Amino acid sequence: DTGVSQNPRHKITKRGQNVTFRCDPISEHNRLYWYRQTLGQGPEFLTYFQNEAQLEKSRLLSDRFSAERPKGSFSTLEIQRTEQGDSAMYLCASSLALGQGRVGFYEQYFGPGTRLTVT
Amino acid sequence: GNSVTQMEGPVTLSEEAFLTINCTYTATGYPSLFWYVQYPGEGLQLLLKATKADDKGSNKGFEATYRKETTSFHLEKGSVQVSDSAVYFCALSDTGAGSYQLTFGKGTKLSVIP
Repeated sequence: DTGVSQNPRHKITKRGQNVTFRCDPISEHNRLYWYRQTLGQGPEFLTYFQNEAQLEKSRLLSDRFSAERPKGSFSTLEIQRTEQGDSAMYLCASSLALGQGRVGFYEQYFGPGTRLTVT
Repeated sequence: GNSVTQMEGPVTLSEEAFLTINCTYTATGYPSLFWYVQYPGEGLQLLLKATKADDKGSNKGFEATYRKETTSFHLEKGSVQVSDSAVYFCALSDTGAGSYQLTFGKGTKLSVIP
């Protein structure tokens, strides 16, 4: 399967603990996005990378959230000192940035998500 | 800022009924528009897209036309099947923003009964 993969699929943690999620994009994709989806809502953009550069992070929900993509391949999203309000589905997506105006640029392919439950 | 508004669900239809899910948007630039579908237990999948005004996206019998004058992108299907039961999300990508991040509506849950 060459799609986007995310691990773990489910994570249950106690309030105050740190958690880290991993996303492996489609191998030739140079852009990687993180979204959060809460119950009954659509996904909400958090941050994105082009190769290893994090080009937008102002939408991360607080300074407890951080993301990395050290070698331009997989990415990790870390939440420190988790709170109950962090309970959600965390989605990763990847795309191929061919340049403005190219059809393939706009399509994001999503992974299955990591469901976080903070107790 | 950008926003997407889609009709509230859930929507329940009988098999072979006609489907319309309304979607309107607000965007500062010239967005591309998308419909994503989420089947039970699965990740989001791109259903169809349109990148400029008057484009019609289509896939698997679903269609949506990019209407700039009404800022709408309504999803339609002439005859739904039980297998179409899923949550449908309308989304936009602002092509002037550089990031091409997606802004989603809240989703509409469709249930098709035999």
